[in-house]
Amino acid sequence: GENVEQHPSTLSVQEGDSAVIKCTYSDSASNYFPWYKQELGKGPQLIIDIRSNVGEKKDQRIAVTLNKTAKHFSLHITETQPEDSAVYFCAASLNRDDKIIFGKGTRLHILP
Amino acid sequence: GAVVSQHPSRVICKSGTSVKIECRSLDFQATTMFWYRQFPKQSLMLMATSNEGSKATYEQGVEKDKFLINHASLTLSTLTVTSAHPEDSSFYICSASDRGAYGYTFGSGTRLTVV
Repeated sequence: GENVEQHPSTLSVQEGDSAVIKCTYSDSASNYFPWYKQELGKGPQLIIDIRSNVGEKKDQRIAVTLNKTAKHFSLHITETQPEDSAVYFCAASLNRDDKIIFGKGTRLHILP
Repeated sequence: GAVVSQHPSRVICKSGTSVKIECRSLDFQATTMFWYRQFPKQSLMLMATSNEGSKATYEQGVEKDKFLINHASLTLSTLTVTSAHPEDSSFYICSASDRGAYGYTFGSGTRLTVV
């Protein structure tokens, strides 16, 4: 089955700087790669996603890149703000409506 | 947007009792829902796939008789933790896809504490 590795487990970034979280996946059949933000005591919220036929996608301060050949994808957050502090999960799935396999998560701290 | 409601948000039960958690899709029909479990500071682990009108599909290592799943309608799936023990204490989260514009949506989770 699919296995998703995520690094780093913890990331501290100065407010205003950029944050990068990296993930790899094992199943070449996976075609859908969402990223979730989870705040304490809440369910995960989708922040951006990318499909395998796209190499990069951007939504304001958030961007995701995908290298399907190498089976890795990354989340980039620019101009970080205090409200970006949370746990971020990458995930992989066969398609958008199929079961999702999560990475272990990255706890992002934005330092004032 | 697609909304998934989960109830209750928190529950405390005594060891040996059973607890039912509900997951509802409020504005769309979901033939498939998913149940996850999350221990503190850990990732979400898929427990089972809930299929409307048929048996759930459980992931390896998840006890079917302990975690009973019922998906009796297109908008409701329930997870019952039977004979709960302290090690079952966890955050349980459901999700569903509208198979349309919004895709996957997660519920807000249920914090189960077994004492």
